[in-house]
Amino acid sequence: GESVGLHLPTLSVQEGDNSIINCAYSNSASDYFIWYKQESGKGPQFIIDIRSNMDKRQGQRVTVLLNKTVKHLSLQIAATQPGDSAVYFCAENTGKTGFQKLVFGTGTRLLVSP
Amino acid sequence: DTAVSQTPKYLVTQMGNDKSIKCEQNLGHDTMYWYKQDSKKFLKIMFSYNNKELIINETVPNRFSPKSPDKAHLNLHINSLELGDSAVYFCASSQDTRANQPQHFGDGTRLSIL
Repeated sequence: GESVGLHLPTLSVQEGDNSIINCAYSNSASDYFIWYKQESGKGPQFIIDIRSNMDKRQGQRVTVLLNKTVKHLSLQIAATQPGDSAVYFCAENTGKTGFQKLVFGTGTRLLVSP
Repeated sequence: DTAVSQTPKYLVTQMGNDKSIKCEQNLGHDTMYWYKQDSKKFLKIMFSYNNKELIINETVPNRFSPKSPDKAHLNLHINSLELGDSAVYFCASSQDTRANQPQHFGDGTRLSIL
C-alpha cells in the first residue's frame, strides 16, 4: 500500500506485506534526508538517511528512494511486521552549509495487522 | 544505558509558572537540539547548540531560555507558562552540525498547562 504524509494519514497493511510511505519535501536545496520512526510515548528513532547525491539507499528491510526532480522521498519496508506499527516522519536538512536544521514532514501512521 | 535522557517525563503545572526541563546525552556529541511536538504530531526545531554555543533560534518567544552548562547538557527553562506551551518537548543530539550526522532523540517531556 502507499500513502502521502500530508495530514498524518494512516496506512493499514497486513503482516508480511510491503509498505511504502511517501513524503513530499519543500526545499530543492535540501542536501540530506532522514526517515524516523516514532512509537507511542517515545522519541523519534533514526531508521535510514540519504544524501542528495544519491537516489537510493538500502538498509535492513528498509529502502529509501529520493527523486529530486519532483522533490519526493519514499520509505519502503519489506515484509512489514506488527512491530513496525508507528508514526513515520521524513525530515529534510534545510540548514546552510555547516549547520544542520531539520524540517520534519507531518508524519504517516503505519498500522500492521497480524 | 540511555543515550539521550530528559527529565521529567511528565510535567503538569499551572499557567504563569516557571519550569525547567533537563537533557543529557552520553554519546559524546557536540550538538544538541530542542524540538516541540504539538497535539497533531508536528515536530518543529526550537533551538540548536554546538559546543555550548547557540546556533539556531527559531523565533521562539523569549520566555524560553535554553542553557548549556557543558556540551553534554542542554536544559530548557520556560517562564510565565501559557496554555499554548502544552506539548511534548524533545531533546536531540548529533555528532556535530554537519548535514550527514543523524540526530538522536530522547523520549520527550510531556508538558501540560492547566
